[in-house]
Amino acid sequence: GAVVSQHPSWVICKSGTSVKIECRSLDFQATTMFWYRQFPKQSLMLMATSNEGSKATYEQGVEKDKFLINHASLTLSTLTVTSAHPEDSSFYICSAIQGKSGRSETQYFGPGTRLLVL
Amino acid sequence: GNSVTQMEGPVTLSEEAFLTINCTYTATGYPSLFWYVQYPGEGLQLLLKATKADDKGSNKGFEATYRKETTSFHLEKGSVQVSDSAVYFCALSDLVGNQFYFGTGTSLTVIP
Repeated sequence: GAVVSQHPSWVICKSGTSVKIECRSLDFQATTMFWYRQFPKQSLMLMATSNEGSKATYEQGVEKDKFLINHASLTLSTLTVTSAHPEDSSFYICSAIQGKSGRSETQYFGPGTRLLVL
Repeated sequence: GNSVTQMEGPVTLSEEAFLTINCTYTATGYPSLFWYVQYPGEGLQLLLKATKADDKGSNKGFEATYRKETTSFHLEKGSVQVSDSAVYFCALSDLVGNQFYFGTGTSLTVIP
């Protein structure tokens, strides 16, 4: 149980285009999902916390208009990188919490999406 | 505030060697503690966790004990295998804010 999927796993796009990444909880309802960014050989950087039915909470320094997050249902959150540029190339990982928000729960991670902007 | 300090790598061991990766934390209150593993090119997988003091998490031969007196959660394995080569992240969960705090990760390479 507690499987999280991401789609696509790999994406290559041209500079200036927008890319949407999906994060799904396959066998549980996730009221809270998190989006992380990971640079090579570094730890995860939390970008935003996504709560179903409400606006995402972004970490300091993360551009809201650049990284659009939508958590439309209890099993799906999407991250859209708008007008992508080469510096947006990275490994994007989502995670989900099973259960009610506000309690400490294990985060279950997706397999990640590698984005390369040319 | 909350933070996690993890042993810096990379760590290279021979197969069947004993592994210890140190992790200490700073937290207000009583956090839950986790070890996650990331294999090359993949996302993070939960390896083990402990939710209160003196709890021992264990999985796949790995163990870690939640030590409140030393604020530590060191990861150990008695005999590593080549397949254990990965990056290991120690993490802390804030009960109040549902925030996770990750260590910087420790890269482990096991050679035959």
